[in-house]
Amino acid sequence: KAGVTQTPRYLIKTRGQQVTLSCSPISGHRSVSWYQQTPGQGLQFLFEYFSETQRNKGNFPGRFSGRQFSNSRSEMNVSTLELGDSALYLCASSLGTGGVSTDTQYFGPGTRLTVL
Amino acid sequence: AQSVTQLDSHVSVSEGTPVLLRCNYSSSYSPSLFWYVQHPNKGLQLLLKYTSAATLVKGINGFEAEFKKSETSFHLTKPSAHMSDAAEYFCVVTYNQAGTALIFGKGTTLSVSS
Repeated sequence: KAGVTQTPRYLIKTRGQQVTLSCSPISGHRSVSWYQQTPGQGLQFLFEYFSETQRNKGNFPGRFSGRQFSNSRSEMNVSTLELGDSALYLCASSLGTGGVSTDTQYFGPGTRLTVL
Repeated sequence: AQSVTQLDSHVSVSEGTPVLLRCNYSSSYSPSLFWYVQHPNKGLQLLLKYTSAATLVKGINGFEAEFKKSETSFHLTKPSAHMSDAAEYFCVVTYNQAGTALIFGKGTTLSVSS
């Protein structure tokens, strides 16, 4: 079974631009979660989508948004990029039926975003 | 607020010696606990998880962890380190409550020397 895939793997943008990242979950998984990883803040939860609905949200500004399609693929969008948005963005998929406390999360390799 | 603390940011061991990576969590609610490993330029891989069953949890690649409620700890151990174990390790907690996400520790970098 193919794992979680994320595209693109690397991205360079300038301040003020917007960016869209894509995540394809493992076949059969209906939940997709997004995380931001930075050296200073570590790994932080952004949001979770399940069956095309945002089910959970972390403490990030509204510039960070996402959506999920009927095939469970998910996109994350960041508008008006800031230097501090430079990070590794990881997505994780799971079956989604048991919740994060029981469902195993399978992570993709991440998208490395650099904001200049 | 719920939290998880990894007590060492960096641990160095020699190949063939035991590994101990320490993790403490806040104890407001019954937790589910996980250890993930991240190799350079790779995503996170689940090593093991505790979800209120047996307190000694065995994972992949010879790792295990023991849930100790009295000490609010979930330390990761391995009897004999291998060079391929060199990576960053994350202790993760979540709680069985609606709207709770995964909460990650800051990570421990494990170095293994020959």
